[in-house]
Amino acid sequence: DGGITQSPKYLFRKEGQNVTLSCEQNLNHDAMYWYRQDPGQGLRLIYYSQIVNDFQKGDIAEGYSVSREKKESFPLTVTSAQKNPTAFYLCASSMLGRVGGYTFGSGTRLTVV
Amino acid sequence: AQTVTQSQPEMSVQEAETVTLSCTYDTSESDYYLFWYKQPPSRQMILVIRQEAYKQQNATENRFSVNFQKAAKSFSLKISDSQLGDAAMYFCAYRSAIQGAQKLVFGQGTRLTINP
Repeated sequence: DGGITQSPKYLFRKEGQNVTLSCEQNLNHDAMYWYRQDPGQGLRLIYYSQIVNDFQKGDIAEGYSVSREKKESFPLTVTSAQKNPTAFYLCASSMLGRVGGYTFGSGTRLTVV
Repeated sequence: AQTVTQSQPEMSVQEAETVTLSCTYDTSESDYYLFWYKQPPSRQMILVIRQEAYKQQNATENRFSVNFQKAAKSFSLKISDSQLGDAAMYFCAYRSAIQGAQKLVFGQGTRLTINP
C-alpha cells in the first residue's frame, strides 16, 4: 500500500544536539512538506519542496534544515539553534497540479531532555 | 499572507445531535481551496471535506457538510447525527489556487467532544 512513513514515532534529544526526522513516501508525489504542531497553535509550515534538489522556507524555518536528494525522501534536521524543539512533527505530500488534500504521515513526537 | 482563524478552541455535542464548527479566513485572492481535516487521538490527519472557492454549491460528504460564505470569508463545518468516532481535533485549512502554491495554511483547531 502506498503512503508516507515517518520515523521514529518518538524521539528524545539532549540539548545542543542535532537530530534528523525521516519522511519517506511511495506515492510518487512531487511535493513534500514538514509541519510542526504545538497545542493551541495548529500546524505551522517549516519547509516544503516541490521538486528534487529544491526547497523553500515556510513560516518557522529558523533552527531547521532539510534536503531533497530523492523524490521519495524529505528528511528534516532539527538543529541546536532551534530554541524550543519539543513538538509533534508531521510530514505530508501531494501531487502538483491536482486539487486535493495532502497525504500525511503518522508523525514524530520530539522531546528535548 | 493568508490566515485562518478558528475561534472555538473546544466544542461538545450530544451523540446523535448536530454541531457546527466555525472557520474564517483572510485572503486577497479570488480563487482558492478550503479544507476541513480531522485529527483523532491517533494524531493521523484525515481529510473530511474540501470546497473550491469558484463553486457556489456547498460541499457535502455523508454526515459532513459545509456552509461556504465567500463574501464573508467564512467556512463552517456541520456534523449531523454526531457519533462517538467523530471526537477529534478539527482543523480548517486554506490553499491558494495559484499554480505551484501547494502549501496549506491551517487554523488553530477545534477540539470536539461527543457526549454519549
